[in-house]
Amino acid sequence: QSALTQPASVSASPGQSITISCTGTSSDVGSYNLVSWYQQYPGKAPKFLIYDDIKRPSGVSNRFSGSKSGNTASLTISGLRAEDEAHYYCCSYARSGLVFGGGTKLTVL
Amino acid sequence: QVQLVESGGGVVQPGRSLRLSCAVSGFTFSDHGMHWVRQAPGKGLEWVAGTSYDGSNEYYADSVKGRFTISRDNFKNTLYLQLNSLRPEDTATYYCAKPYNFWTGLDVWGQGTTVTVSS
Repeated sequence: QSALTQPASVSASPGQSITISCTGTSSDVGSYNLVSWYQQYPGKAPKFLIYDDIKRPSGVSNRFSGSKSGNTASLTISGLRAEDEAHYYCCSYARSGLVFGGGTKLTVL
Repeated sequence: QVQLVESGGGVVQPGRSLRLSCAVSGFTFSDHGMHWVRQAPGKGLEWVAGTSYDGSNEYYADSVKGRFTISRDNFKNTLYLQLNSLRPEDTATYYCAKPYNFWTGLDVWGQGTTVTVSS
């Protein structure tokens, strides 16, 4: 159950778009359509953004979108806003368990 | 309103035990599997354990297998995590979470309860 690989940090200006990658293996990300994404502010519980690789639950802004190619999943945030500054985590099913990425700190400049 | 409320955290010595609880309201608890996820101070999220809707199936991270036990009481609408043989590396905030589908999409989270393992 090795952690998925995410960039430690990304940054961009308001209004721009960013993409956060999440790289796993053929035993997790690449084998199942079961990647989810979470947003977390300091001291708060995570918030659910994306599930089943690409699906967005009701109530989540359409500025957030998920995609996947092979063993790498991605979260794209378009039209960046100051309130998007947070940590983002990917998660995948992996052999009767869940594995998270190490997290990416998004800074909105 | 869907709500998960964890309790039972505290400061405990290495090797000792602790039981965490997660009281659930606002949805039919017995229809849903549940998970525990933890976060060490300043670190990322780590999945700990999951249980099926009826408690008949349990799943554990390798790091806690044999030491932690997940269970549930569907009459009390409560999820539990028994933590035995605690180690300093188990120090973390422990969250219970309800999945949208069992293995994807943890759509509701509690506020967390903090466990500190220290002598």
